[in-house]
Amino acid sequence: DTGVSQDPRHKITKRGQNVTFRCDPISEHNRLYWYRQTLGQGPEFLTYFQNEAQLEKSRLLSDRFSAERPKGSFSTLEIQRTEQGDSAMYLCASEGGNEQFFGPGTRLTVL
Amino acid sequence: DQQVKQNSPSLSVQEGRISILNCDYTNSMFDYFLWYKKYPAEGPTFLISISSIKDKNEDGRFTVFLNKSAKHLSLHIVPSQPGDSAVYFCAASPGGNEKLTFGTGTRLTIIP
Repeated sequence: DTGVSQDPRHKITKRGQNVTFRCDPISEHNRLYWYRQTLGQGPEFLTYFQNEAQLEKSRLLSDRFSAERPKGSFSTLEIQRTEQGDSAMYLCASEGGNEQFFGPGTRLTVL
Repeated sequence: DQQVKQNSPSLSVQEGRISILNCDYTNSMFDYFLWYKKYPAEGPTFLISISSIKDKNEDGRFTVFLNKSAKHLSLHIVPSQPGDSAVYFCAASPGGNEKLTFGTGTRLTIIP
């Protein structure tokens, strides 16, 4: 399967814990995006990378959130000191042409 | 501020008939528009797009219409099939290679 993959698919954590998600984009895609989707809403932009450079961050990305793409391939999204409001689906997408291809997402539940 | 709006949370259509999903936007900087389809437990899947230099784009059973003066676009699916049952998201960007702003989605149910 050469699509976008995300790991884990589901994560349940206790409030205050740190979590890290991984995204593996389609190999030849230079741009990688992170979005967050809460119940009843569409995906909301968090941040994106052009190769290893993080070019834009949404105001939704508080200082508890950090994203990296160290070698311009896979990316990680870390949330420190999780809060119940962080519960959401975290989606990764990589871009080819003008189309963004989405992974299956990581569903985070903060108890 | 919801810059992309899908005012119908749900829509039911008989199999074989036309499904019309609507989307409105407020940001005049948007010039590229996309429709995504989402099944449960999967990420959104790209369906069709349109640039602001066009007013219509067709791909098989799917056609997107753009009315720039009204800041409105619509997705037509004809004929509708049971496999079309999903949540449909409208999205927009200020350019082809930019972050997407999504609407809240419309759940389409095709009735056999």
